Amino acid sequence: DAKTTQPNSMESNEEEPVHLPCNHSTISGTDYIHWYRQLPSQGPEYVIHGLTSNVNNRMASLAIAEDRKSSTLILHRATLRDAAVYYCILRDDRNTGNQFYFGTGTSLTVIP
Amino acid sequence: GAGVSQSPRYKVAKRGQDVALRCDPISGHVSLFWYQQALGQGPEFLTYFQNEAQLDKSGLPSDRFFAERPEGSVSTLKIQRTQQEDSAVYLCASSSMDGQPQHFGDGTRLSIL
Repeated sequence: DAKTTQPNSMESNEEEPVHLPCNHSTISGTDYIHWYRQLPSQGPEYVIHGLTSNVNNRMASLAIAEDRKSSTLILHRATLRDAAVYYCILRDDRNTGNQFYFGTGTSLTVIP
Repeated sequence: GAGVSQSPRYKVAKRGQDVALRCDPISGHVSLFWYQQALGQGPEFLTYFQNEAQLDKSGLPSDRFFAERPEGSVSTLKIQRTQQEDSAVYLCASSSMDGQPQHFGDGTRLSIL
């Protein structure tokens, strides 16, 4: 699976939008972009995923560059509960046994 | 239960002992994964089951690690002759089928003294 690059850490003020970037220049045409987050002492939690088009759900939005070499997870209004490590992962969802390769993610700090 | 359940939540063992970690996936979920997470790192894949079949065990670090899912539901990860470097959080995840989001348990924190 192709590799992703994320900043080690980011800070955001509470109730402000947060844009978490992810670079994936070696993405293949069949790789989906997945975002998970991990709160302290918990297992990872699914956030959102997409292939080519931008995606929205109740938790976040995913903006995918036209060339698909980068993407941005958008939290529209950060809360203290959004403080977590955010992982951007590529996976070819067509294949079986498609485990995730997590990397080290971005640690998001939300400032009250 | 509504989510993936792992037990025990914490396990302390002396070096050389055998340990068994249990995972109860979401009912009906076909796919089951085990990951190992060292402190400050992201989870790393260990093994994958589709129903009772172990289709990928390429991430198991040594032959001391063994996983099973005999009836296609509950899974057990066993570590024999534990060593200090086995200390980590062991995470289990399940998904309804391949390609679907994975649902993770909160893990078992294993400490080897």
